[in-house]
Amino acid sequence: QKEVEQNSGPLSVPEGAIASLNCTYSDRGSQSFFWYRQYSGKSPELIMFIYSNGDKEDGRFTAQLNKASQYVSLLIRDSQPSDSATYLCAGLNDMRFGAGTRLTVKP
Amino acid sequence: ETGVTQTPRHLVMGMTNKKSLKCEQHLGHNAMYWYKQSAKKPLELMFVYSLEERVENNSVPSRFSPECPNSSHLFLHLHTLQPEDSALYLCASSQDGSSGDTQYFGPGTRLTVL
Repeated sequence: QKEVEQNSGPLSVPEGAIASLNCTYSDRGSQSFFWYRQYSGKSPELIMFIYSNGDKEDGRFTAQLNKASQYVSLLIRDSQPSDSATYLCAGLNDMRFGAGTRLTVKP
Repeated sequence: ETGVTQTPRHLVMGMTNKKSLKCEQHLGHNAMYWYKQSAKKPLELMFVYSLEERVENNSVPSRFSPECPNSSHLFLHLHTLQPEDSALYLCASSQDGSSGDTQYFGPGTRLTVL
């Protein structure tokens, strides 16, 4: 079965640190990946997507895709308490989401 | 602020009730989706409608019945549900349902089945 897997965490980092979130996938045919952020009790909101090998940067967020190793990651620089949420990785070739990683940024 | 709205936001129903969830998108998209999100489980895709035609249902139980009368509206009709169906039901829309298409989510309906 094709799967997208994430470490459920929780991941805790101090304010100002870099938070690193990782996702692995089993479907070699997957071409594009999306990162969503979901606050408790809220619906997911899109952060960014990546479809080519390498890094993609958007403000404090950097997505990295390595198709050879089949992983995709999200780095959050200068983490803020407001970044505390669950982060979902999705391989949207077949609209399959990971279980999400819960991130806590401590002041 | 979202271009995808869902009603009701909360619903409590008994196992013998019949209810419907409604989703409306104001983004001009042609594809709409129903997801189920249970505690500590990944998002589960239930139904996909592209240009008002259902294209995937992932073996969802027949007690869930979707309806898409036009590209802006999507319903999920519920009947004889089970307590394990209690979850957050999320609607999403995207431009045309193609691979890699960005999905935009509604706020969800929190369903409790007694």
